[in-house]
Amino acid sequence: GAVVSQHPSRVICKSGTSVKIECRSLDFQATTMFWYRQFPKQSLMLMATSNEGSKATYEQGVEKDKFLINHASLTLSTLTVTSAHPEDSSFYICSARESAAAGYYEQYFGPGTRLTVT
Amino acid sequence: KNQVEQSPQSLIILEGKNCTLQCNYTVSPFSNLRWYKQDTGRGPVSLTIMTFSENTKSNGRYTATLDADTKQSSLHITASQLSDSASYICSHNDMRFGAGTRLTVKP
Repeated sequence: GAVVSQHPSRVICKSGTSVKIECRSLDFQATTMFWYRQFPKQSLMLMATSNEGSKATYEQGVEKDKFLINHASLTLSTLTVTSAHPEDSSFYICSARESAAAGYYEQYFGPGTRLTVT
Repeated sequence: KNQVEQSPQSLIILEGKNCTLQCNYTVSPFSNLRWYKQDTGRGPVSLTIMTFSENTKSNGRYTATLDADTKQSSLHITASQLSDSASYICSHNDMRFGAGTRLTVKP
């Protein structure tokens, strides 16, 4: 099946700094990518929908100025956590959508990025 | 209250046994319901996807059912293996996710 990669897999940063996370679809083009946050033992929370060449659509309660999303190409979306604080520590996961037969689409998830803000 | 509720929260079974996980959703409209397997510290992997007109879908030892009238879905795992130990998550329209059921398969 299709592969979605994320980089880095783990990052530790100091409070107040910014961190960029990359999400790549390795063998297919993804016009739509999604970013999620997942706290321990909780469900995935959709943060934003990223469309290639246009502005991301953010879910209610997600600060667009804090979580900057750029979907510059059909295979790459980036999430930048600006001025990170300890409460931003979480598991960030991206997914990419690939069109399939008969109107289906498949959704492939990246392996996730563990962000720790100290 | 989460719009997608899963039960049980956790489940321990012996290797070789079957189990059934439940997912209830409250939101409309409906496009699809998907079950994922998520290993600890990894991204979810899609197991099955069902649209409104489908009420069952199988993928190997995994069989998902859907009742769109009652807004309920289940995931049945047969002949469990140790490698089935993971969290199983259902999602509604790929937008809302349940908190998952943590399955542990013991030898």
